[in-house]
Amino acid sequence: GAVVSQHPSRVICKSGTSVKIECRSLDFQATTMFWYRQFPKQSLMLMATSNEGSKATYEQGVEKDKFLINHASLTLSTLTVTSAHPEDSSFYICSARGWDSQETQYFGPGTRLLVL
Amino acid sequence: QQQVKQSPQSLIVQKGGISIINCAYENTAFDYFPWYQQFPGKGPALLIAIRPDVSEKKEGRFTISFNKSAKQFSLHIMDSQPGDSATYFCAAGRTLGRLYFGRGTQLTVWP
Repeated sequence: GAVVSQHPSRVICKSGTSVKIECRSLDFQATTMFWYRQFPKQSLMLMATSNEGSKATYEQGVEKDKFLINHASLTLSTLTVTSAHPEDSSFYICSARGWDSQETQYFGPGTRLLVL
Repeated sequence: QQQVKQSPQSLIVQKGGISIINCAYENTAFDYFPWYQQFPGKGPALLIAIRPDVSEKKEGRFTISFNKSAKQFSLHIMDSQPGDSATYFCAAGRTLGRLYFGRGTQLTVWP
């Protein structure tokens, strides 16, 4: 149980385009989803926290107009990187926490974004 | 201010040995302390977690030791295997809150 999927697993796009990443909880309802960014050989940096049906809460320094997060249902959250630039290239990982677990976060497999 | 400090940054252990990774936290309100294992190109996977009402938790070869007064906790991997080679992250947080992650420890187990 507690499986989280992400799609796509990797994406290459041109500078200036927008990219959407999906995060799904497959076998549980996720009341809260988190989006992280990870650079090579570094830790996970929390970008934002989203609760189903509410606006996402962004961490300091994360541009909410650039990283659009939608958590429209209890099993799906999306991260859209708008007008992507090479510096947005990174590993994006989502995690989900169910209503019956007040602390456990289950992570997705991650999405590798490369902006040319 | 870094909420969770993790050491060492890298660790090399022989097969069959014990791997020990240490973490320290700042916020005494934290009540949840998980460890995650991450392989290259993959998302982190929950390994084991502990709450501050116990001093030790063991699951198979993995043990968390927790010292509330010192605000420290550690992961012990007994009988380390080459397949354990990965990056390990400790984290700390409050119930219903976010997690604060350590910087990670890259473990290499030599056969």
